[in-house]
Amino acid sequence: QITLKESGPTLVKPTQTLTLTCSFSGFSLSSSSVGVGWIRQPPGEALEWLTLIFWTDDKRYSPSLKSRLTITKDTSKNQVVLTMTNMDPVDTATYFCARWGYGSGAYYPDYWGQGTLVSVSS
Amino acid sequence: DIQMTQSPSSLSASVGDRVTITCRASHDINNYLAWFQHEPGKAPKSLIYAVSTLQTGVPSRFRGSGSGTDFTLTISSLQPEDFATYYCQQYNTYPLTFGGGTKVEI
Repeated sequence: QITLKESGPTLVKPTQTLTLTCSFSGFSLSSSSVGVGWIRQPPGEALEWLTLIFWTDDKRYSPSLKSRLTITKDTSKNQVVLTMTNMDPVDTATYFCARWGYGSGAYYPDYWGQGTLVSVSS
Repeated sequence: DIQMTQSPSSLSASVGDRVTITCRASHDINNYLAWFQHEPGKAPKSLIYAVSTLQTGVPSRFRGSGSGTDFTLTISSLQPEDFATYYCQQYNTYPLTFGGGTKVEI
């Protein structure tokens, strides 16, 4: 059974750095053809893809946020960590992590965590 | 960026109804289109990938179709557990992008 769970602070202050951890089970990021990524959804708004790391350690970032994002993996702990610098109230959102599986020629998100709400306020 | 436009943004339906949701991409996405279902407070659930391939365990009442830039999710006979918000997503080109969602209400 594949599960993912996001953890981290529920409240951060403007200009602070957010660190979120995605802990997963049922698969390994040292196995081929798998990735883990982050998506967020501000209240009442659309989903926004942020970043993705593959089993090869290849990484992809949203161009609009690339300068603020870092994604890393710890295969021994089955964890992926997202850091986002210089947080602003507009970054208030539910942050989801998801596994990217491979099917029919490309990677797509096949399992998701339930998300964690992060508020940015002084 | 590839824009994904979903319609309608919401719909009301009854158990047993046939429901159709459309998703249009601003450019050809080579059929790298996924659908997923989301209920508030729960993990989103993958339904379909590559336009029409059902994720393991997804009931056959869900069907995906389309090609190029126009895609459809059809629920043939709506069940009580299907009342949720549905999203399409393209994974052909970075940045990966999502449709705005369709809320299916009773």
